[in-house]
Amino acid sequence: ETGVTQTPRHLVMGMTNKKSLKCEQHLGHNAMYWYKQSAKKPLELMFVYSLEERVENNSVPSRFSPECPNSSHLFLHLHTLQPEDSALYLCASSQAFSRVPYEQYFGPGTRLTVT
Amino acid sequence: GENVEQHPSTLSVQEGDSAVIKCTYSDSASNYFPWYKQELGKGPQLIIDIRSNVGEKKDQRIAVTLNKTAKHFSLHITETQPEDSAVYFCAASTIGGSQGNLIFGKGTKLSVKP
Repeated sequence: ETGVTQTPRHLVMGMTNKKSLKCEQHLGHNAMYWYKQSAKKPLELMFVYSLEERVENNSVPSRFSPECPNSSHLFLHLHTLQPEDSALYLCASSQAFSRVPYEQYFGPGTRLTVT
Repeated sequence: GENVEQHPSTLSVQEGDSAVIKCTYSDSASNYFPWYKQELGKGPQLIIDIRSNVGEKKDQRIAVTLNKTAKHFSLHITETQPEDSAVYFCAASTIGGSQGNLIFGKGTKLSVKP
């Protein structure tokens, strides 16, 4: 495997279900990100982990819960989602940085549909 | 906070013509401006980026220009090919606060007609 991988690629879940999205990066990076991509909207940054420390976006509802067990893996745990949460969820990775931003590399995304 | 506006939202060109996509940003502290290409069913792919200490950068048929005074930057694709058809996103990075805060434009859907 190379680059950034995400599983599953497609997920349909009911509003009462609990599911998890998985992301793995094979680039030797130490920062990982979750983004939400909805139609007609810009990509929205949800969470950032840098050196396994979380930097949180305050506007993300608590029904989304990230987990970063090590620098190569990132999870997004989902529970009691709403239909408006249906979107493409993208994972990205980069080198962690202090004051100069590094390039972010994206995975293919998980297409989530909440019914 | 930073706000990035991207125009046009759709762009159709004939194969061989040039395509230009423009973005403006609001935060004068931003100093990193990447461009991403997203093909159907795939994640965004970084194609070129520019930092605020340079005004132009080229990579084969792709170039990016940056005007810090006017706070706008543009993507130029020359000799377009059908495989250039995709959605292109610009972004700007804010320094300070949360790491990795790339603020994206809404995207431009480029169609290259053979």
